[in-house]
Amino acid sequence: GAGVSQSPSNKVTEKGKDVELRCDPISGHTALYWYRQSLGQGLEFLIYFQGNSAPDKSGLPSDRFSAERTGGSVSTLTIQRTQQEDSAVYLCASSFGDRNFYGYTFGSGTRLTVV
Amino acid sequence: AQRVTQPEKLLSVFKGAPVELKCNYSYSGSPELFWYVQYSRQRLQLLLRHISRESIKGFTADLNKGETSFHLKKPFAQEEDSAMYYCALTNFGNEKLTFGTGTRLTIIP
Repeated sequence: GAGVSQSPSNKVTEKGKDVELRCDPISGHTALYWYRQSLGQGLEFLIYFQGNSAPDKSGLPSDRFSAERTGGSVSTLTIQRTQQEDSAVYLCASSFGDRNFYGYTFGSGTRLTVV
Repeated sequence: AQRVTQPEKLLSVFKGAPVELKCNYSYSGSPELFWYVQYSRQRLQLLLRHISRESIKGFTADLNKGETSFHLKKPFAQEEDSAMYYCALTNFGNEKLTFGTGTRLTIIP
């Protein structure tokens, strides 16, 4: 597609439920990133994919968080047993993943609210 | 560990006045620095990269390795500059960006 697409744009869920957030990167971008944006916390790195592999998942806050990427394209971030502190905007970004790094292209994010 | 510090959470500047958004970093290698901007109801977008030494929308940023700073500057602020600005850092050859906490810039008409 023309840009990075994320769905849903908003998600309200009850504490303890599981949620899935989807990211569709720019066609041809091999690298994909998930960040979390919280008020006053800036952008917190979660995980990075190169193709379908995740060489860096150091930012995942707990084992309730997992992510996968299939076909070198769409990625899904899953949060199990959601907690109120998981409320944030989850941003996905993609890039060409080669040595000429021009920066990321971001999606518009998924605003997750855990009640 | 690499770290980016933006000391000002909020900054208000009168239209036509100069703007400086501060960014300091800590990193032991050879960093690549970026500024990203998020306008109201829009997605985060790249404003400029230090390696390209360009001026975008009148903004410039110079990497000062001695002071480990990458401050964003504009000589004359415009109302449309009101936005959230993030400074970010990565290592050459590594695309994982570390972001600062951001500065919300408000231009007063």
